[in-house]
Amino acid sequence: DAGITQSPRHKVTETGTPVTLRCHQTENHRYMYWYRQDPGHGLRLIHYSYGVKDTDKGEVSDGYSVSRSKTEDFLLTLESATSSQTSVYFCAISDHSYQGNTIYFGEGSWLTVV
Amino acid sequence: QKEVEQDPGPLSVPEGAIVSLNCTYSNSAFQYFMWYRQYSRKGPELLMYTYSSGNKEDGRFTAQVDKSSKYISLFIRDSQPSDSATYLCAMTLYGNNRLAFGKGNQVVVIP
Repeated sequence: DAGITQSPRHKVTETGTPVTLRCHQTENHRYMYWYRQDPGHGLRLIHYSYGVKDTDKGEVSDGYSVSRSKTEDFLLTLESATSSQTSVYFCAISDHSYQGNTIYFGEGSWLTVV
Repeated sequence: QKEVEQDPGPLSVPEGAIVSLNCTYSNSAFQYFMWYRQYSRKGPELLMYTYSSGNKEDGRFTAQVDKSSKYISLFIRDSQPSDSATYLCAMTLYGNNRLAFGKGNQVVVIP
């Protein structure tokens, strides 16, 4: 298994509260990604990072922010959680920019916003 | 039109049958094609990877890419109950570090 640790793995939070999900990798890969997975929508990219302090938006970035202060850590923050952000969140890492065969996923973080 | 279309199923087959999954896509510039397998409550794991058109075989799994038809397929021979999972297709462009995913196809292999 790729060295990816997501925390917390499960969280229930209230609407309007801030939430931070953490992704930690031990592979020293350059690229890190946050996806969400929902029934009927599949995997959708929220934000990604191509280096320390270098991040960019994905297709569903509204309501989310990210930070990467170290190669190994990529944080996803929901500034004010809403029920529509109830989902499974996957972190992924990659060491190549143009191939998909080196993208590895974490085990997921289940977030419920009530 | 979505970039990648994948019939979500579910698909139930008896043990030993051939499983056939497919995706269609709209962007003719896609060059790298992947299939991921995702077990319940787990992250996706890379199953097959193909560059451009053609076939690739790995044990009981065969991936096919037909770029002229913008169509990719995954075949699982002699299916086993352990193959019960959701299978997601994904693809990307050269020089692009983001994947376009299908919605996933749930497969159940009945013993």
